Amino acid sequence: DGGITQSPKYLFRKEGQNVTLSCEQNLNHDAMYWYRQDPGQGLRLIYYSQIVNDFQKGDIAEGYSVSREKKESFPLTVTSAQKNPTAFYLCASSMGWDLLWETQYFGPGTRLLVL
Amino acid sequence: KQEVTQIPAALSVPEGENLVLNCSFTDSAIYNLQWFRQDPGKGLTSLLLIQSSQREQTSGRLNASLDKSSGRSTLYIAASQPGDSATYLCAVRISNFGNEKLTFGTGTRLTIIP
Repeated sequence: DGGITQSPKYLFRKEGQNVTLSCEQNLNHDAMYWYRQDPGQGLRLIYYSQIVNDFQKGDIAEGYSVSREKKESFPLTVTSAQKNPTAFYLCASSMGWDLLWETQYFGPGTRLLVL
Repeated sequence: KQEVTQIPAALSVPEGENLVLNCSFTDSAIYNLQWFRQDPGKGLTSLLLIQSSQREQTSGRLNASLDKSSGRSTLYIAASQPGDSATYLCAVRISNFGNEKLTFGTGTRLTIIP
């Protein structure tokens, strides 16, 4: 089965703690994305990666970091600098950033809560 | 800056009715527009993608239309079923080089009443 997996489904963060959200895809897609979804708001782009070892900031990158060491994996770290991390985080992938006619495929999401 | 609006935020209709969801966008220089479905606590599933050169796309009971000049799209659902209950989001992709990201609307939460 091809698809995108995200783990964990729920994640709790303590004050001052960094946490990492996992995103893995076996679709052989070059491009991967991280979005944040808050109640009553649309999805907002945090970071995206067009290819391995490359990534770019999205609209709300402050307090987040990413890496793209493997094509299949695009983990997101929520750092202690992110003061309002409680949200639903969605990872997505597509065949290529510049293939504008292609859709993005989404993972099931991770809900991050602050203790 | 592109803004995408979906009104109403929530809609309830009896089973079997046909319904229309609305999406409007401020910048008509779009490359394409997509409609997604999101079930509670889940990821997004792409329903229909309309290229800027197209007027509509159909998939089963779903029909999406696009009017670029007026900055509007509609998603028509025929013969609604309880299984159609979900949040529907539209997203546009603008065509300016180097800024091809998707901009999402806030969604319409649809409830089909059995």
